[in-house]
Amino acid sequence: NAGVTQTPKFRILKIGQSMTLQCTQDMNHNYMYWYRQDPGMGLKLIYYSVGAGITDKGEVPNGYNVSRSTTEDFPLRLELAAPSQTSVYFCASSYMGQGYEQYFGPGTRLTVT
Amino acid sequence: TQLLEQSPQFLSIQEGENLTVYCNSSSVFSSLQWYRQEPGEGPVLLVTVVTGGEVKKLKRLTFQFGDARKDSSLHITAAQPGDTGLYLCAGIKGNEKLTFGTGTRLTIIP
Repeated sequence: NAGVTQTPKFRILKIGQSMTLQCTQDMNHNYMYWYRQDPGMGLKLIYYSVGAGITDKGEVPNGYNVSRSTTEDFPLRLELAAPSQTSVYFCASSYMGQGYEQYFGPGTRLTVT
Repeated sequence: TQLLEQSPQFLSIQEGENLTVYCNSSSVFSSLQWYRQEPGEGPVLLVTVVTGGEVKKLKRLTFQFGDARKDSSLHITAAQPGDTGLYLCAGIKGNEKLTFGTGTRLTIIP
């Protein structure tokens, strides 16, 4: 049981480039989330999904897109990367809604220069 | 506006000492969670409190939810180097999204 896996662990992007952060969970969880963590700012919710085919915006969705074609996968797409998107990105999943335990992946550290 | 304020932001103490960190808000939460995050890893849930005044113990860690469900505290007895990490509280109100606090970065010096 791998839990929540994320790839890549590190990435450097140039301004204007695009990339997809991958997230997979093997716990058959319905709910999946993407957060970004900036120094001293805690975790901010970018997008979340309550099941395959259903996604919704979180607190800071601008500049990002998501899709949820399967229960297991929840990729996060960055289009036209900007320095403000430099952050550590965490994917998480939970069996039920947000009041229940969330299981986090190890994170992706992204730098945009 | 940060709904959940954690204090202190940084704390460095000697092994064996006791400590308390706080999570405060002006809002009422239906439940509150505490996570610990180690460097290079994602947060891991320690406890969830749901009832005003509730106290939960996890070995040397004691968690309390305020009577009015607006605040919470985490008390560690006889701190050990393995307690080092970033402690995050996270609250949820009704059907709204889980909101994370800014965290307390704890360092235990051997």
